[in-house]
Amino acid sequence: EILLTQSPVTLSLSPGETATLSCRASQNINRYLAWFQQKPGQAPRLLIYDVSSRATGIPVRFSGSSGSETDFTLTITSLEPEDFAIYYCQQRSTWPVTFGQGTRLEIK
Amino acid sequence: QVHLVQSGGEVKKPGASVKVSCKASGYSFTTYGISWVRQAPGQGLEWVGWISAYNGKTNYAQRLQGRVTMTTDISTSTAYMEVRSLRPDDTAMYYCARGRWLQPEDYWGQGTLVTVSS
Repeated sequence: EILLTQSPVTLSLSPGETATLSCRASQNINRYLAWFQQKPGQAPRLLIYDVSSRATGIPVRFSGSSGSETDFTLTITSLEPEDFAIYYCQQRSTWPVTFGQGTRLEIK
Repeated sequence: QVHLVQSGGEVKKPGASVKVSCKASGYSFTTYGISWVRQAPGQGLEWVGWISAYNGKTNYAQRLQGRVTMTTDISTSTAYMEVRSLRPDDTAMYYCARGRWLQPEDYWGQGTLVTVSS
């Protein structure tokens, strides 16, 4: 099973700032890396797939990138109040599909 | 537009079974699969399994292997997930979501809370 480790666990920022969230895979996941946002009481929402492709309707302030075949980053520029939520990365390169433990983005 | 509507919450005793439904609309059902993902109270997301609505191929998480069965009814565009021999640690919100083999889940149901308690 591929382990995904997200950091930091909690990120405290103010609206207008830039958030940088990391996800590290335990082995090569062939760019099958996605990011989801989840707000309290809601289902997850797909933001990014295949490392850097934005899902339908996702604002351009959300972007994904990779530093290597195992290190991935979600960047959110000019944070809006509605961006404060929990973010999960997910790999589906190899069964079973696995999620990271999540990063909570909170208002400072 | 795409919608996934799940059945209502369930309260079950340990050892019982539960079957959750997920009715899809707004797209061609057999061109996608359905993933099931659960979330225990206050915890993260856990993938439960996936079924192809095209050919019924399934893949289950090892942790639930032998206790979970996923099926589809293409005549009603509905997916089902049954979990048997329920344990208290199966208590969770269960989500269905549309997805393909190498494509992540882009539309999600509203979730079904399954509570296992004596």
